[in-house]
This record gives sequence, structure tokens and C-alpha cells, in this order.
Amino acid sequence: KQEVTQIPAALSVPEGENLVLNCSFTDSAIYNLQWFRQDPGKGLTSLLLIQSSQREQTSGRLNASLDKSSGRSTLYIAASQPGDSATYLCAVRSGAGSYQLTFGKGTKLSVIP
Amino acid sequence: GAVVSQHPSRVICKSGTSVKIECRSLDFQATTMFWYRQFPKQSLMLMATSNEGSKATYEQGVEKDKFLINHASLTLSTLTVTSAHPEDSSFYICSAPILGQKVKETQYFGPGTRLLVL
Repeated sequence: KQEVTQIPAALSVPEGENLVLNCSFTDSAIYNLQWFRQDPGKGLTSLLLIQSSQREQTSGRLNASLDKSSGRSTLYIAASQPGDSATYLCAVRSGAGSYQLTFGKGTKLSVIP
Repeated sequence: GAVVSQHPSRVICKSGTSVKIECRSLDFQATTMFWYRQFPKQSLMLMATSNEGSKATYEQGVEKDKFLINHASLTLSTLTVTSAHPEDSSFYICSAPILGQKVKETQYFGPGTRLLVL
């Protein structure tokens, strides 16, 4: 059974800092990995999706990497802003035949002005 | 982009009553929808997969007679929490994939429904 772990559970940084969020998964046979953002009491917004054959994806100040063999992904946020404050969730899709996602518990990020 | 809506956004009910939550895909057809539950400071846990025109499939430990799922059309799935108890209080989120999109495969999530059972 796939398990997804995110470290740290919470992170507080001053505005302008670069930061890295970590995600690990136990079964390396994944189809893709996705990073989401969740604001308090809200649904999920997809940030980046990395296919199993890819090593990284970039969108603006966000860069996600994937090392499938070691079961790890990182989300790099450059020049953090207070608006980046949210919970970031990592989710793994295990196979092409199923759209089911397995989520980590998330990292709660606070960017202090 | 694709939009998924949920109604209501929050609901408070008395213990023992039933609550229905709707999940709609607004601009695409969804033959499959997923229902998740999220407790405070916990991850989203998949409860069940809703299939249009057939029975839902439930994850282990989820009572199918308590959480009734109906996927009556290609744009609507409903989750009914029957005889709700305080321990059912949670954040319920639905999602729907756009099937066939192999390049930009993702799931679109609804905004969630906050259920509080008193």
C-alpha cells in the first residue's frame, strides 16, 4: 500500500527566502506525482504535475523535482511571499488504470512579512 | 480551466439526521468522481469512487450504508451521510478527472463541504 510522507509538517520563513518542501513515497512504481496548494477551509489547487518519466517541472517561482527510484520529490519555492502561506500537499497516482491519488498530510507554510 | 462545484459549502446538522452533499462538474462530463474526507491536520483520505451508472466502490473501512453515493448523471454525484454523528464532522471534498487527457492529466477538486454534526 502506497504511503506518502511530507516533511516538515509546518514551516515558517521570513518573506523573500527560498524554501524546499519534501515529499517521500514508499512505492516507487508511480504514474505521476502532483503538488497541490490548500488554503484554510478551501479545496485544492493543482500547482505542478510530474509524470513518472520526468525529472522536474517549473511554473513561475515553483519548481518540483522527482526522483522516482528513491521515492522522493521536492517543491522549491523561490523568493517566498506572504501570499504563498498555505498548506502544500503532495499526492501520488500509482497507475495509469486508476485516477486515485494518495496524499501526504501536507506542510503548512507561513511566510512572515 | 475545468470547474468542480460543491453544495453546500458548510452545513450544521443535529445528530441522527441525514445530510446530502452535491458535487458537480460545471464544464465537462465526469463519469468518475472521487469523494475524500479530511480531518483537521490530516491528509485527504479517499472514501469512495463514484461511477456514473453503476455502484460506487468504497475504500476499506468506509461504511457504504452510511455514506450513500449516487452518480445519476455525467455531471453530478451526491454523497449522503446518513444518521450523522459528531464523529462524522469533517471536511468533505470531491474531485473529478477529465478522462482522456494524457498530457495534462489532473484532477479538479471542488471547494469542499464543511460538515458539523452537533
